[in-house]
Amino acid sequence: EVQLVQSGAEVKKPGESLKISCKGSGYSFTSYWIGWVRQMPGKGLEWMGIIYPGDSDTRYSPSFQGQVTISADKSISTAYLQWSSLKASDTAMYYCARLGFLDPKAWFDPWGQGTLVTVSS
Amino acid sequence: EIVMTQSPATLSVSPGERATLSCRASQSVSSNLAWYQQKPGQAPRLLIYGASTRATGIPARFSGSGSGTEFTLTISSLQSEDFAVYYCQQYNNWGTFGQGTKVEIK
Repeated sequence: EVQLVQSGAEVKKPGESLKISCKGSGYSFTSYWIGWVRQMPGKGLEWMGIIYPGDSDTRYSPSFQGQVTISADKSISTAYLQWSSLKASDTAMYYCARLGFLDPKAWFDPWGQGTLVTVSS
Repeated sequence: EIVMTQSPATLSVSPGERATLSCRASQSVSSNLAWYQQKPGQAPRLLIYGASTRATGIPARFSGSGSGTEFTLTISSLQSEDFAVYYCQQYNNWGTFGQGTKVEIK
């Protein structure tokens, strides 16, 4: 069974750094792109970016370029989403999801369970 | 960036009735369009990809159609478990989601 398991909820202060994770199992981790999706409280889904763990090729939405860093460690089948300086507006649920095809032009399936990030002073 | 616009924002439907959700792209996305269902407190679930192909395990009452800039998700006979928020997503040019349509009980 293909599965993505995300790290637990985080509570941080503005200005702090954070790295959340997404561990894949049940498939060849290096062969499929993985993406990150933001969902702010009570709002819709936002496509943040994707990474190909095989060679770490990474693509960002213009809205998130420079705001976050997406990375992967293929040795432990884990993708990451990282902030260097959090803002209150980063408070959201963050989902990782595997692309459903061996191509960056693909849908998301399956999804991780989500990581809730709360940034508050 | 391609903008995806869903309508209506909220759809009130009685169980057993048909629901028709629309999604429009600001430029052609070919058939590179997916639909997802999200229930409160849960991660989204893929329903449809390639505009019209049902994902594994998705009931036949869900169907997708369209290409280019106009797309439709139809739920032929709403069941209680279908009341949720539905999102379309284009993946022709990286990815963008629509703002969602909430299907609620009438």
